[in-house]
Amino acid sequence: GAVVSQHPSWVICKSGTSVKIECRSLDFQATTMFWYRQFPKQSLMLMATSNEGSKATYEQGVEKDKFLINHASLTLSTLTVTSAHPEDSSFYICSARSLAGGYSGELFFGEGSRLTVL
Amino acid sequence: QKEVEQDPGPLSVPEGAIVSLNCTYSNSAFQYFMWYRQYSRKGPELLMYTYSSGNKEDGRFTAQVDKSSKYISLFIRDSQPSDSATYLCAIRASGGSYIPTFGRGTSLIVHP
Repeated sequence: GAVVSQHPSWVICKSGTSVKIECRSLDFQATTMFWYRQFPKQSLMLMATSNEGSKATYEQGVEKDKFLINHASLTLSTLTVTSAHPEDSSFYICSARSLAGGYSGELFFGEGSRLTVL
Repeated sequence: QKEVEQDPGPLSVPEGAIVSLNCTYSNSAFQYFMWYRQYSRKGPELLMYTYSSGNKEDGRFTAQVDKSSKYISLFIRDSQPSDSATYLCAIRASGGSYIPTFGRGTSLIVHP
């Protein structure tokens, strides 16, 4: 299957600081990547769609200035949580869709990044 | 009514049991059906995907789709403790944004 790598897997930061999470597609090119947020025992909540070379598309209720997304290449998207606060603590997961290897656009997920804001 | 309904469980079974996980959906435009497995503190892993009604088998796993009833199932035979995870169904329409709608996941516990 397609491999998506996410880094860091966990991060602890102080309130008011910014945190960057990287998402890479390792064995395929991804013009589109997706960022999800997941609270404990809850399903995945789509935050935004990251488009290579253009602006991200944010879901309703997601603050664009709080969650900055950059998709500078076909294999890398980054999510920056700016001026993080304790309520931003969550599990953030990126995904990319693969059209290679017989797949028809199924999503492959990174390992997730657990953010804890103190 | 949510687009995709999935019982959150938890579902607790003894090792070796046959497990049945299910989702129902309301949008008849949905054509692609996926099952993801998510271990604690990890990202979801694509387990099975199918595009048509009927059964698809992969080892101990069988995905079943009944479009007429808008009902999908994942069966796990000879369940193992290592199968303990949350299983999410995901369904999407053909083409478009390729963004699936996820169920909330069913927590499965297989005890030795």
